[in-house]
Amino acid sequence: NAGVMQNPRHLVRRRGQEARLRCSPVKGHSHVYWYRQLPEEGLKFMVYLQKENIIDESGMPKERFSAEFPKEGPSILRIQQVVRGDSAAYFCASSRNRGEYEKLFFGSGTQLSVL
Amino acid sequence: TQLLEQSPQFLSIQEGENLTVYCNSSSVFSSLQWYRQEPGEGPVLLVTVVTGGEVKKLKRLTFQFGDARKDSSLHITAAQPGDTGLYLCAGANAGGTSYGKLTFGQGTILTVHP
Repeated sequence: NAGVMQNPRHLVRRRGQEARLRCSPVKGHSHVYWYRQLPEEGLKFMVYLQKENIIDESGMPKERFSAEFPKEGPSILRIQQVVRGDSAAYFCASSRNRGEYEKLFFGSGTQLSVL
Repeated sequence: TQLLEQSPQFLSIQEGENLTVYCNSSSVFSSLQWYRQEPGEGPVLLVTVVTGGEVKKLKRLTFQFGDARKDSSLHITAAQPGDTGLYLCAGANAGGTSYGKLTFGQGTILTVHP
């Protein structure tokens, strides 16, 4: 079984461009989480989505960032008008069910570099 | 805001030595997870501790959850070079959320020299 697939692995953008990060969860998982890992910091929760619904976006910046998890296709984290401070590793995780004891499976991440 | 303080940040030891990594908070967590992360990869779950005072063993790794569910430790016995990596603790929100919204510590970079 394939794990969580994220692409691209590396993404380079210039300031002001848009970044689109994709995440395909483990087959059969309908719960997706996005985390951001800044240099020298731990992972920070950004958003939790179920199919077609945003459940908790309390960790996501109010502006320029958006996330979706459509009925068909991967989850997308979209960053508009990127700035240097957006440079980070973005990790997606999925779980089969909703529950605080549910095991999260993490992808390998997308390293975003903003020039 | 819940915070998890992880220490030490860096640990460099010789093969065969023992080590302990600590994870502390002023907040109560419903469960505590420990992950290991390799460079360029995502975190991989090692263990989840749920009950205050719980101790779990995974071969040479021993995980403990504090009685008050505010702290945890990871002890590695007779470390090997293959144990080298980034170790992360993560707490599940005790504030009533019933999903995988985790608060991560800053991580401990462990290097085991042959």
